[in-house]
Amino acid sequence: QKEVEQDPGPLSVPEGAIVSLNCTYSNSAFQYFMWYRQYSRKGPELLMYTYSSGNKEDGRFTAQVDKSSKYISLFIRDSQPSDSATYLCAMMLGTGTASKLTFGTGTRLQVTL
Amino acid sequence: DSGVTQTPKHLITATGQRVTLRCSPRSGDLSVYWYQQSLDQGLQFLIHYYNGEERAKGNILERFSAQQFPDLHSELNLSSLELGDSALYFCASSVGGGTAQETQYFGPGTRLLVL
Repeated sequence: QKEVEQDPGPLSVPEGAIVSLNCTYSNSAFQYFMWYRQYSRKGPELLMYTYSSGNKEDGRFTAQVDKSSKYISLFIRDSQPSDSATYLCAMMLGTGTASKLTFGTGTRLQVTL
Repeated sequence: DSGVTQTPKHLITATGQRVTLRCSPRSGDLSVYWYQQSLDQGLQFLIHYYNGEERAKGNILERFSAQQFPDLHSELNLSSLELGDSALYFCASSVGGGTAQETQYFGPGTRLLVL
């Protein structure tokens, strides 16, 4: 069983829809949670970073963490064709030299006109 | 553009060969990370160097090795290549020693195809 599970999709939604992307994890030692966006043939770029249970909002994006259920989500409001990409959740252990990011396999999102 | 550069962009080689992938971190960043992305395994952490020293190791095969030079650029050496080594190899950099609060900035990747 992988440490981080993510539905690979693809997920196709019409422009303007609300998108929900999810990851579950098995290691309760993960303390830091990120969402990366990866456009085709590009490197991942950091979208959101959270370290506590609850919601964090940034524009059209909301990251949600539920540590008790080991479940994280990314919501995209008013989705745009430019949001079409693969979204990767990533997690990290505590502070110090814990530099390893553990990624989900990514969910491919397609926003159609 | 993240500021992280990787060369070459594409590499085609044969089984049994050896290749070197190069990464230049963002100006001022001291840490370099290497990741492998394949269709079945996703993005997997290989190794982390901080200011020339190895900091953390992930699922890196013994046939693979890396180093970070005094000018902070890094090289990932892949030897005795197998078909299964075909993947995208990403380098990332961050400003410090790799704490969770640091953002890792990814380069555009090197696409390796082993025939």
